[in-house]
Amino acid sequence: DAGITQSPRHKVTETGTPVTLRCHQTENHRYMYWYRQDPGHGLRLIHYSYGVKDTDKGEVSDGYSVSRSKTEDFLLTLESATSSQTSVYFCAISDGGARGETQYFGPGTRLLVL
Amino acid sequence: SQKIEQNSEALNIQEGKTATLTCNYTNYSPAYLQWYRQDPGRGPVFLLLIRENEKEKRKERLKVTFDTTLKQSLFHITASQPADSATYLCALDIRDGLNDMRFGAGTRLTVKP
Repeated sequence: DAGITQSPRHKVTETGTPVTLRCHQTENHRYMYWYRQDPGHGLRLIHYSYGVKDTDKGEVSDGYSVSRSKTEDFLLTLESATSSQTSVYFCAISDGGARGETQYFGPGTRLLVL
Repeated sequence: SQKIEQNSEALNIQEGKTATLTCNYTNYSPAYLQWYRQDPGRGPVFLLLIRENEKEKRKERLKVTFDTTLKQSLFHITASQPADSATYLCALDIRDGLNDMRFGAGTRLTVKP
């Protein structure tokens, strides 16, 4: 998984609680991404980062926030978890932000919101 | 509306045959199209990238075509093996100047011995 770890790998939480997922990379890549994957929808981009403290919204950003204080760490926070946020979350990295750049994915975090 | 459709949710073929997976898109103009493989419980792994000015790309038993007129990419695995069983995702870049990709929902390929 290209030097990318995600923690936790599995989490069960209750509606209304905040949740933070962590992505850690050892590749020193500038760009980092958070996706969610749901049956029938494919991977959908939540937020991405193009450098330390530089982040922007993706396709499905409502209810999520991110932070990147170091090159190697990208945090995804569900401010108040809802059942619709039950999903598998993947972090990805890329060396550059150019169009079509290959992305390398982490192993995923399976989140269940009850 | 913009859509990416992969031909079917699941495809079953016999070992040794050629598997052909389809990725169709509407209302996008990608400069690149990528194919990824995803095994159960794992993240996607990059396989091939093809540019809009390339008709075909090959890598070992894999072949990808890209027809921007038909708005379609075909992904072929020749001499398929049970180890090729996985879900295959296509992905399009959608934004100039930024690596913003849209993924299809994937096709689950099963190769039977």
